[in-house]
Amino acid sequence: DTGVSQNPRHKITKRGQNVTFRCDPISEHNRLYWYRQTLGQGPEFLTYFQNEAQLEKSRLLSDRFSAERPKGSFSTLEIQRTEQGDSAMYLCASTPGTGTYEQYFGPGTRLTVT
Amino acid sequence: AQKVTQAQTEISVVEKEDVTLDCVYETRDTTYYLFWYKQPPSGELVFLIRRNSFDEQNEISGRYSWNFQKSTSSFNFTITASQVVDSAVYFCALSENDYKLSFGAGTTVTVRA
Repeated sequence: DTGVSQNPRHKITKRGQNVTFRCDPISEHNRLYWYRQTLGQGPEFLTYFQNEAQLEKSRLLSDRFSAERPKGSFSTLEIQRTEQGDSAMYLCASTPGTGTYEQYFGPGTRLTVT
Repeated sequence: AQKVTQAQTEISVVEKEDVTLDCVYETRDTTYYLFWYKQPPSGELVFLIRRNSFDEQNEISGRYSWNFQKSTSSFNFTITASQVVDSAVYFCALSENDYKLSFGAGTTVTVRA
């Protein structure tokens, strides 16, 4: 059983550029979550999907951020017009479904905005 | 408001010592779940334990044990006979509903040989 995978692992971009990250959850996990983690802090919830439906978005997710899960499998997180404050680790996690199962995390994508 | 507080920022111990990590949470829900995760230097969060609000029985799993006390809203975690490989950042997390986790700021544990 392969774990959650994320690509790319690292991304360096210039301020104002758009970036897109991909997350592939564990097979048959129908819930998928995105978190953001800044240095020295715990992860903060951004959004989550039940299959292809995006069910909640945090206030942290400004209108420059968009997430999709078009076929209920992999998900993408896009940040438009990046700012230096967007520099963080972006984590993806998945769970089998309803019920508070433990979330299984991917290795994360570290974004650096210069 | 911070829902999960980990007052200890860093703990340093010598190998084979026990390490206890404190976690205090805040919730108005009667049904909730508590978790401990480990984040080693490689960066990937690893699930360790889960407890629901209806089960205050404390348990031991290998070198890990936990002390859940609803009366004080605490969910402390102990590593017995620590090893160098236990060096990591440990996060306590709360789930008040069926989905998102609220994490504490983490405690960095350094185990010296």
